[in-house]
Amino acid sequence: AQSVTQLDSHVSVSEGTPVLLRCNYSSSYSPSLFWYVQHPNKGLQLLLKYTSAATLVKGINGFEAEFKKSETSFHLTKPSAHMSDAAEYFCVVSDLNGNKLVFGAGTILRVKS
Amino acid sequence: GAVVSQHPSWVICKSGTSVKIECRSLDFQATTMFWYRQFPKQSLMLMATSNEGSKATYEQGVEKDKFLINHASLTLSTLTVTSAHPEDSSFYICSAVGTGTMNTEAFFGQGTRLTVV
Repeated sequence: AQSVTQLDSHVSVSEGTPVLLRCNYSSSYSPSLFWYVQHPNKGLQLLLKYTSAATLVKGINGFEAEFKKSETSFHLTKPSAHMSDAAEYFCVVSDLNGNKLVFGAGTILRVKS
Repeated sequence: GAVVSQHPSWVICKSGTSVKIECRSLDFQATTMFWYRQFPKQSLMLMATSNEGSKATYEQGVEKDKFLINHASLTLSTLTVTSAHPEDSSFYICSAVGTGTMNTEAFFGQGTRLTVV
């Protein structure tokens, strides 16, 4: 069975500094991996997804993630945080069909001015 | 991107009553919809998968008689929490997957916060 571990429940950064949200996965097959963002009182929005193509995946709003099979990691990064990035972020792995999703516990990102 | 709308956004109900939550795909046809619940400070857990015109598939440990799911059309799935109890209080989120080019991503509703008093 697939599983996802988000290593930090909360991350706090200053505006303009880099963001790193960590995620490790476990899967018995080559996984599809996603990062979703959830702003307060809004639905989940897909930031980016990895589906066995390029290991460095670029997403929306300047976010990117690198799939590292040897480390079973899929960390999310952004060079420079913006106040609007404050939200909860979920690392997600899907089943073979790509539709049934298993969510990590989430990481709340706080951006200080 | 595609829009999935959930209604209501929040609801408070008395113990023993039933609550219906709607999930609509506004600009695409959703052959499959998923229902998740999220407890405070916990992650989203899949409850069930519903396919249009057929019975929902429930995850292990989810009571199908308590959480009734209906997916009667390609744009609407409903989740009814029957005889609600305080332990059913949670955040419920649906997602929808479309057909063709719309089946590569699950689109999420904004969620429904249920409080049972």
